[in-house]
Amino acid sequence: GQNIDQPTEMTATEGAIVQINCTYQTSGFNGLFWYQQHAGEAPTFLSYNVLDGLEEKGRFSSFLSRSKGYSYLLLKELQMKDSASYLCAAEDSNYQLIWGAGTKLIIKP
Amino acid sequence: DAMVIQNPRYQVTQFGKPVTLSCSQTLNHNVMYWYQQKSSQAPKLLFHYYDKDFNNEADTPDNFQSRRPNTSFCFLDIRSPGLGDAAMYLCATSSGTEPYNEQFFGPGTRLTVL
Repeated sequence: GQNIDQPTEMTATEGAIVQINCTYQTSGFNGLFWYQQHAGEAPTFLSYNVLDGLEEKGRFSSFLSRSKGYSYLLLKELQMKDSASYLCAAEDSNYQLIWGAGTKLIIKP
Repeated sequence: DAMVIQNPRYQVTQFGKPVTLSCSQTLNHNVMYWYQQKSSQAPKLLFHYYDKDFNNEADTPDNFQSRRPNTSFCFLDIRSPGLGDAAMYLCATSSGTEPYNEQFFGPGTRLTVL
């Protein structure tokens, strides 16, 4: 079957760095997406990885290892507005996104 | 600005009373999706359209139906809402330019069933 695993909740301090991990099992693989979702709002796109390695975009970076079925999202210089859920989604061979349940990130002052 | 619009943002209905949620897009995307999302859960795909080609997920209950009369609009009909259908309903679009399938979401409609 197809499956995405990510931690349910994480807590970090303002100004610090946090890494949110995601492992996936899909029928075929065409890339890995990270979305941010604030409470009561729609998901918004953060990053896309299809090749192994690290993609950096400002304070956010995303890493992919296709051989391990593993990705992480790295958030630096955390701000209070980064408190949100972070959803990992893998694109399968039918070009459909298989979604994780999201990691709720709590930022403390 | 190109966007995905959902109306209404909040919908209250009574148990068993039909309700229709609407979605429109100005992105001119080929693919439109309807997701159901409950608190702290992954979005659950209900339907998607590739242009006018309708795709129903195997586990989508018969109580849910969808229409896409043209490229810009898509509707989700819930024929007889039950308490378990209370959720956020998300509409999303993508260009359909495979393999990169970034999906753009509307703000969602939060459905309450009394």
